[in-house]
Amino acid sequence: KQEVTQIPAALSVPEGENLVLNCSFTDSAIYNLQWFRQDPGKGLTSLLLIQSSQREQTSGRLNASLDKSSGRSTLYIAASQPGDSATYLCAGNNNDMRFGAGTRLTVKP
Amino acid sequence: NAGVTQTPKFQVLKTGQSMTLQCAQDMNHEYMSWYRQDPGMGLRLIHYSVGAGITDQGEVPNGYNVSRSTTEDFPLRLLSAAPSQTSVYFCASSYKRGAGYGYTFGSGTRLTVV
Repeated sequence: KQEVTQIPAALSVPEGENLVLNCSFTDSAIYNLQWFRQDPGKGLTSLLLIQSSQREQTSGRLNASLDKSSGRSTLYIAASQPGDSATYLCAGNNNDMRFGAGTRLTVKP
Repeated sequence: NAGVTQTPKFQVLKTGQSMTLQCAQDMNHEYMSWYRQDPGMGLRLIHYSVGAGITDQGEVPNGYNVSRSTTEDFPLRLLSAAPSQTSVYFCASSYKRGAGYGYTFGSGTRLTVV
């Protein structure tokens, strides 16, 4: 059974800082890994989808990497802004999506 | 393109009552699934479907029932609500199960059982 872990559970940084969110998974036989953003009381918004054959994906200030051999993915956020404050979830897809508990990010002005 | 639509957004039930959470998608996705989200536990899979007439259990299926009569709709039924079912419920869809396709989520239903 796939187990997904996200560290840290919460993170607070000053505006403008570059930061990395970590995601680890136990079963490397994933089809893909997907990063989501969730604002308080809202649904999940897809940020980046990395296929198992890919090493990274980029969208604007976001860059996600995938290392299947070590069971790790990272989400890099450049030049963080207060609007980036949200909970970030990663999920590994082995036929069904398994989610980590998320990292709650606060970016202080 | 509406994506995945869930209704209602909020619901309060009394213990023992039944209700149906609705989920519809307009992307012609084969795969649909239901998750519940509880504080500190991430999202957990309740039931899923790989096409009309085909459903299967996920990680936490007890107390929930599903059916899928059309490609578009995948309702989740609570037969006799319990306080332990207080949670936020999300419906998700994907083109096919696994095979590298990403998921699209609905906006959720916040359910409170008193």
